[in-house]
Amino acid sequence: AQTVTQSQPEMSVQEAETVTLSCTYDTSENNYYLFWYKQPPSRQMILVIRQEAYKQQNATENRFSVNFQKAAKSFSLKISDSQLGDTAMYFCASDSFNKFYFGSGTKLNVKP
Amino acid sequence: DTGVSQDPRHKITKRGQNVTFRCDPISEHNRLYWYRQTLGQGPEFLTYFQNEAQLEKSRLLSDRFSAERPKGSFSTLEIQRTEQGDSAMYLCASSFPQAMGVNVLTFGAGSRLTVL
Repeated sequence: AQTVTQSQPEMSVQEAETVTLSCTYDTSENNYYLFWYKQPPSRQMILVIRQEAYKQQNATENRFSVNFQKAAKSFSLKISDSQLGDTAMYFCASDSFNKFYFGSGTKLNVKP
Repeated sequence: DTGVSQDPRHKITKRGQNVTFRCDPISEHNRLYWYRQTLGQGPEFLTYFQNEAQLEKSRLLSDRFSAERPKGSFSTLEIQRTEQGDSAMYLCASSFPQAMGVNVLTFGAGSRLTVL
């Protein structure tokens, strides 16, 4: 089984600044995918960004980017120009053979 | 397409009662997943279907839990003889594997169960 670890239960950032959320994972698989999901308060989870493990290039989606270090099994999320709407729980997840494993989440507070 | 729908959104029940949750996935999605999420934790995998076939069940899923997906469309998750430890948010997600096997989950809003 895979495990996903998020060591930062809660983080705060000022609006317009940059914040990085950490994630490490453990897998024996060679072919897998990594994801960051966002869960706003009382709302459903939505996909933020994804990374295929076979790709060396880090994924980017507008203000969101990842730093994927395959050898270190690290997959951090960088949010640039933070906005109040980024306030949410963020979950790191890995997928191998159709089973998704999620970390315990990081609660991000964006302060005005 | 209205996304993944779950019903009911909140269920309060007494210990020992049976409850059933329903999930309607995105229509063209052939995979459907059930997860359980407790407060302050990430979702835990319970089971998943490809079309009508239940392909995997977590060891977390005791024999009081059963899931079905008749005809490969909507799915139900039934919990028999509920216990207080069953109190959680039950999340449904669906997907359609994309090119190169990428499998992106689309989640519903969840069904919150409170067992008194």
